[in-house]
Amino acid sequence: DAKTTQPPSMDCAEGRAANLPCNHSTISGNEYVYWYRQIHSQGPQYIIHGLKNNETNEMASLIITEDRKSSTLILPHATLRDTAVYYCIVRVAFMDTGRRALTFGSGTRLQVQP
Amino acid sequence: GAVVSQHPSWVICKSGTSVKIECRSLDFQATTMFWYRQFPKQSLMLMATSNEGSKATYEQGVEKDKFLINHASLTLSTLTVTSAHPEDSSFYICSARSSGHAHYNEQFFGPGTRLTVL
Repeated sequence: DAKTTQPPSMDCAEGRAANLPCNHSTISGNEYVYWYRQIHSQGPQYIIHGLKNNETNEMASLIITEDRKSSTLILPHATLRDTAVYYCIVRVAFMDTGRRALTFGSGTRLQVQP
Repeated sequence: GAVVSQHPSWVICKSGTSVKIECRSLDFQATTMFWYRQFPKQSLMLMATSNEGSKATYEQGVEKDKFLINHASLTLSTLTVTSAHPEDSSFYICSARSSGHAHYNEQFFGPGTRLTVL
C-alpha cells in the first residue's frame, strides 16, 4: 500500500465545511483512495473511496488531484457528531487483495467546535 | 450495510484470568475475519487474520498462544485472551470480510470491546 501523510489534527466550526487533506505521492495506477473514520470508542466506519474521479455520497465528497498524488475529503456541513479520527488509506481494490486486512496510519483528529 | 457485532462491549477481569470476545456477522457470511487492537491515542494494529475452518495467521509480535482465535463458522469468530495481564488492557476490534458485497467496502467493523485487566 502506498504511504499516506495526514495532518495530526484539525478544527472546524459546526456548520462549516471540513476539508481534510491527504498526501499519497507514491500511489500506483491501480490503487484506490479510501477514507474511514473512527468516532471515539467505536469501530471504524467506511466513508467513501475513489480511483481518479471526484466522488460524492451522502456523507462526504472526495476530491482527487489530477496527478493523484493528493486528495481531500470534504464534509460539507460539519456537525458535532463528525468529531472523529479520519483515516486516508491507499490500496488496491478489495477484490484484488485476497484476504489482506486494511492497515491504518495515524489519521487526522477532527474536532468540530460548537 | 452489513452489520458486525461484538460481545461483550466491555469487560473487566482480574490478572491471570482468561477472557473471550465474540465477533458475529449478523446478515452476511464472513469468509475472513480480522482482529485489531488499539491502545489509547494510537491507531488500530492488526493482530491476526482468521479464515473460517482454518488456523489464524498472526502478525509479527502477537503471541498465538496468548491470543487464541477460533473461526468455527461463517458468522462467528472468537478471540480468547489467556492469562490476561494489565498490559493486555486495550480496545479490541473485529472486522469481517464478505465476498458478497461490492468490492469497495468488503471489510466491515464491529463496535469494539474494551478490556480492562486489574
